[in-house]
Amino acid sequence: IAGITQAPTSQILAAGRRMTLRCTQDMRHNAMYWYRQDLGLGLRLIHYSNTAGTTGKGEVPDGYSVSRANTDDFPLTLASAVPSQTSVYFCASSDSQGFGTDTQYFGPGTRLTVL
Amino acid sequence: GQNIDQPTEMTATEGAIVQINCTYQTSGFNGLFWYQQHAGEAPTFLSYNVLDGLEEKGRFSSFLSRSKGYSYLLLKELQMKDSASYLCAVLDSNYQLIWGAGTKLIIKP
Repeated sequence: IAGITQAPTSQILAAGRRMTLRCTQDMRHNAMYWYRQDLGLGLRLIHYSNTAGTTGKGEVPDGYSVSRANTDDFPLTLASAVPSQTSVYFCASSDSQGFGTDTQYFGPGTRLTVL
Repeated sequence: GQNIDQPTEMTATEGAIVQINCTYQTSGFNGLFWYQQHAGEAPTFLSYNVLDGLEEKGRFSSFLSRSKGYSYLLLKELQMKDSASYLCAVLDSNYQLIWGAGTKLIIKP
């Protein structure tokens, strides 16, 4: 692995189903982030983690949860998917604890469609 | 509220120069980033400005004026591979990135 990987690449999901998007980085970065990207809108932060064991809410956290059990993994869970969660989801990481200005590096994204 | 404004779309000719503007109103300022995003791909880092002035990096330059809440990305000697969206993002007082919707740049031969 080099950088950040996300799985799955794409997924079609029935409304009401539970879904976990996976994100793994091998750069030993402290901070990790989940964004969603919708047409015509900027990237919007869902949740973040400044270091293993801690998480925080971003701009649009409702309907999503995260955990950060270790440095490398930062899964995003949709407990009960709704059509408005149809989006492209990007995971990112940076060598920062939220107080620096280090560059964020992005995974390839997961395209999620909720029907 | 916090706001980042960029033009939605721009068109330029191969070999030419293009300037993509970004204006921002945010709660605090800890720097401004430019990212490039090709269609269907992840954003990739281009530049970071925290002090006023011009930062040059090869064919790409980025300018910042904090007093005006303004930045631009200048792309010289345009190549077809520069066709992409360019995202402006500001690091606010909570050290969270606030993103613009991006500028889609179309390069014509």
